[in-house]
Amino acid sequence: DTAVSQTPKYLVTQMGNDKSIKCEQNLGHDTMYWYKQDSKKFLKIMFSYNNKELIINETVPNRFSPKSPDKAHLNLHINSLELGDSAVYFCASSGSLLYGYTFGSGTRLTVV
Amino acid sequence: GDSVTQMEGPVTLSEEAFLTINCTYTATGYPSLFWYVQYPGEGLQLLLKATKADDKGSNKGFEATYRKETTSFHLEKGSVQVSDSAVYFCAPASGGSYIPTFGRGTSLIVHP
Repeated sequence: DTAVSQTPKYLVTQMGNDKSIKCEQNLGHDTMYWYKQDSKKFLKIMFSYNNKELIINETVPNRFSPKSPDKAHLNLHINSLELGDSAVYFCASSGSLLYGYTFGSGTRLTVV
Repeated sequence: GDSVTQMEGPVTLSEEAFLTINCTYTATGYPSLFWYVQYPGEGLQLLLKATKADDKGSNKGFEATYRKETTSFHLEKGSVQVSDSAVYFCAPASGGSYIPTFGRGTSLIVHP
């Protein structure tokens, strides 16, 4: 039973398209996150939701919009995709940050 | 904000060799310290953690000791296996939010 699951695992799309990535966790955690990992493996936090409320919104283009319909789900919608958006996007959840994160397996987005 | 410096990779070792991956950090107050591991094609997994000075975190034969005086949290393993080949991330977490700051990762390659 996967704890944090993301779909799709791979996403190849053309510049200018709009796409969504979905994330679900079955751990009962209150807080969920989106991270972007670039080709050099650098991880950057994008957003965080606590019990459906946005609590972290880093400097991310407003083409990226997170949505949390309930505390078990956090989706990421991206408008007008650009080449520079190509990366691996990870969803994560946490019950208490003192115990660390549980990550999903990632979505590799390639914009052509 | 927090910052973390990890040794550049890749680190290439033969099976059963001793491993050290250095990590030093700067952080406000007394951070919790984490090591995460990312196997190829997967998300990050929490490997071990330490929450106060002189604590030793350990898991799967890996160890790291919270050294407040040197602000370090070096990862060690006495005898590496091919299956340990992965990217390792050091991550201090401090401040009110305890959001971790990830290092750039150190790639470990273990040859048979």
